[in-house]
Amino acid sequence: DTGVSQNPRHKITKRGQNVTFRCDPISEHNRLYWYRQTLGQGPEFLTYFQNEAQLEKSRLLSDRFSAERPKGSFSTLEIQRTEQGDSAMYLCASSLETVNYGYTFGSGTRLTVV
Amino acid sequence: LAKTTQPISMDSYEGQEVNITCSHNNIATNDYITWYQQFPSQGPRFIIQGYKTKVTNEVASLFIPADRKSSTLSLPRVSLSDTAVYYCLVGDGGLTGGGNKLTFGTGTQLKVEL
Repeated sequence: DTGVSQNPRHKITKRGQNVTFRCDPISEHNRLYWYRQTLGQGPEFLTYFQNEAQLEKSRLLSDRFSAERPKGSFSTLEIQRTEQGDSAMYLCASSLETVNYGYTFGSGTRLTVV
Repeated sequence: LAKTTQPISMDSYEGQEVNITCSHNNIATNDYITWYQQFPSQGPRFIIQGYKTKVTNEVASLFIPADRKSSTLSLPRVSLSDTAVYYCLVGDGGLTGGGNKLTFGTGTQLKVEL
């Protein structure tokens, strides 16, 4: 297991289209997080899972956003009816429950909405 | 989560020691101090974490005074490859039930030159 894997690395989509990103965490990590990062800013928390349960969602996660983690393994983040303001880097991270902030991040998916 | 304040940018030269200070006046008793490093187009990478006094690993040292209202990340003998954004984060990792998310500021952009 080489770390947190995110696919695709880049996605260009037209406004109004739906997009889905995938994150494969480190296999033994039971916590999985999604963040969004825009240029010049630090990552912003979107949501996190412990196993398959989604335990917290940010107010940033509008109704157009949905995240799932079936069976507590990989996770998907879907954005419906994309808007130009959704253009950002979407980062996934995973950790063990017992590790305080020792998260491992993936390289992210860069979304560009045109 | 306690708010952190750190310089927006710092410049240094190869071979020098770099110290980045972070202020966190409202740090809580259960909070840890964690630093992450982020290169362009990559996710943040955990560098070091501490609670009090001094912590050292193969990458950096973290100095925390007794009042814990600030902390200093020390990078010995930096090289060009240390050019990155460095984030200081404070929180308890959800250990006291207050959620388990990282809150990033805008970080410190470190630029290392020859």
